[in-house]
Amino acid sequence: SAVISQKPSRDICQRGTSLTIQCQVDSQVTMMFWYRQQPGQSLTLIATANQGSEATYESGFVIDKFPISRPNLTFSTLTVSNMSPEDSSIYLCSGRSGTGNTGELFFGEGSRLTVL
Amino acid sequence: EDQVTQSPEALRLQEGESSSLNCSYTVSGLRGLFWYRQDPGKGPEFLFTLYSAGEEKEKERLKATLTKKESFLHITAPKPEDSATYLCAVQVAGGFKTIFGAGTRLFVKA
Repeated sequence: SAVISQKPSRDICQRGTSLTIQCQVDSQVTMMFWYRQQPGQSLTLIATANQGSEATYESGFVIDKFPISRPNLTFSTLTVSNMSPEDSSIYLCSGRSGTGNTGELFFGEGSRLTVL
Repeated sequence: EDQVTQSPEALRLQEGESSSLNCSYTVSGLRGLFWYRQDPGKGPEFLFTLYSAGEEKEKERLKATLTKKESFLHITAPKPEDSATYLCAVQVAGGFKTIFGAGTRLFVKA
């Protein structure tokens, strides 16, 4: 299956700053998904990123706080804006195998953010 | 509301002691059910996909089964290296997003 490289792998950030996470896939992927995983919790979908259109955000997540770019079929970025300690979490990028809308996801290693 | 519930939250086994993890789901329609393994500090790793009731998949010491309301991940004669968090997820019919359960943390002691 495809491989996702995500960076940074971890960072410590100051309150009020913003950080951009990059996600690079080694093959073309139609749909990419950004998840958040808080300590000891499961994965919560933030948004779906498709090339050429605005990302689709889940309830509780807004574009001003989590702007997403998807310039091509192998790359996406997620920015966490105006960070607060509540944003401390692991952020995971994922893509769907195959060319259809059904199938398993493959994940990057995650970006662990700590906000002080 | 579409929902995925996993039990138990944590499971401690002795090496060789077989057991099962449960995933119950409530969805308007099931497009696919997935099992993942997640090791600490890593992203989830795909294990199985199940599409219809009665389907079974096997890989080494793991076997996943599916009914109309739940899925089981059976672990036969586990080894310490099977220790991980096992996540169940569903893709709802008519949609493209995947919803995850809270996971079961498995600890296998030698």
